[in-house]
Amino acid sequence: SQTIHQWPATLVQPVGSPLSLECTVEGTSNPNLYWYRQAAGRGLQLLFYSVGIGQISSEVPQNLSASRPQDRQFILSSKKLLLSDSGFYLCAGGGLAGVVQYFGPGTRLTVT
Amino acid sequence: SQQGEEDPQALSIQEGENATMNCSYKTSINNLQWYRQNSGRGLVHLILIRSNEREKHSGRLRVTLDTSKKSSSLLITASRAADTASYFCATAPPGAGSYQLTFGKGTKLSVIP
Repeated sequence: SQTIHQWPATLVQPVGSPLSLECTVEGTSNPNLYWYRQAAGRGLQLLFYSVGIGQISSEVPQNLSASRPQDRQFILSSKKLLLSDSGFYLCAGGGLAGVVQYFGPGTRLTVT
Repeated sequence: SQQGEEDPQALSIQEGENATMNCSYKTSINNLQWYRQNSGRGLVHLILIRSNEREKHSGRLRVTLDTSKKSSSLLITASRAADTASYFCATAPPGAGSYQLTFGKGTKLSVIP
């Protein structure tokens, strides 16, 4: 199995400020990596996924971007945060579709 | 878009009772998975059932899958207070080259001691 590390656990940022959330993976090589956002009391919305270094697919148009500079590192960024970017961000790792995904502990982002 | 829809949205039971949650989906699947999320935490995988399976057990968990009705159920027997969490179903589409799970909105289970 994999271990997914995410930080920070909570973050409060003003509107218009930049964002960088980091996710690292332990226990496997060349994992598929995912960024999800979860609104309060809701399901998970897939934001980005990556099948390898430098390979990023975006699921929804938004104010966010993702990068994968190393095999086990996945970064979620924004140049200027919006109020609507508030939410619970989860990083996950897994294999091909249908294989279990392993989740990190999440980052609670509040944009004020 | 979200394919899985859990029912009920919330469920409150007494410790020791059984809890049943249902999931309906719309398109063909390779498999269906159930995850648990404790409040403010990441999701934890519970069980996976493949499209050619009808029932699967893991400890106090029993999952059924009816592909003709495009539905699944998760049964937790002899519930404990520690089972209090949100439960999500997630579907994986058939075919190679697809990397996504589609999650439902979840059922919030409260087990009262």
